[in-house]
Amino acid sequence: NAGVMQNPRHLVRRRGQEARLRCSPMKGHSHVYWYRQLPEEGLKFMVYLQKENIIDESGMPKERFSAEFPKEGPSILRIQQVVRGDSAAYFCASSPRGPYYGYTFGSGTRLTVV
Amino acid sequence: AQKITQTQPGMFVQEKEAVTLDCTYDTSDQSYGLFWYKQPSSGEMIFLIYQGSYDEQNATEGRYSLNFQKARKSANLVISASQLGDSAMYFCAMSSVTQGGSEKLVFGKGTKLTVNP
Repeated sequence: NAGVMQNPRHLVRRRGQEARLRCSPMKGHSHVYWYRQLPEEGLKFMVYLQKENIIDESGMPKERFSAEFPKEGPSILRIQQVVRGDSAAYFCASSPRGPYYGYTFGSGTRLTVV
Repeated sequence: AQKITQTQPGMFVQEKEAVTLDCTYDTSDQSYGLFWYKQPSSGEMIFLIYQGSYDEQNATEGRYSLNFQKARKSANLVISASQLGDSAMYFCAMSSVTQGGSEKLVFGKGTKLTVNP
């Protein structure tokens, strides 16, 4: 029973490039959440999606960041024109019904912008 | 707005002893959940324990227990019989549900636990 799969595990991008982070939720989970962890910080909520719907993107920066969870395939977090401040660990979590039932987190993608 | 405070940036404990990691929270919600996660040096987030705001009993999961004091708004994690493998960052988190149906976790800054042999 595979857990939440995130890839790539590590991603290096030059300033101005695009970063695409993928998340495949656990089988049967239709709720996906993205969180960002800056160095020495806790995780901060970015976006909450269900299949084909963005439910809450209140934690997403207004520009350059977007997320989707299509009917088929993984959820994608896309960062356009990356800057050094985007360097962080990005975690995806999935849940069958919401956080009261316990998220399952993926192993994260560590983005480094050089 | 919801807030989680973890006042201990670092804690040390001897192997086989018990340790308490502090967590206080602030919310105006009547219904909420409290979580503890472990993040070892490898970076993944491991769910440890959950306490619902209406649960009368303190949650326990093996060597982990959550000391829930609702009036004080505290949700401390107790690890009994510490093991070297318990050395990690520990994060307290609270679930928040908005009227629009959005659900998210609010995390504290974490406590780094070091277990000494």
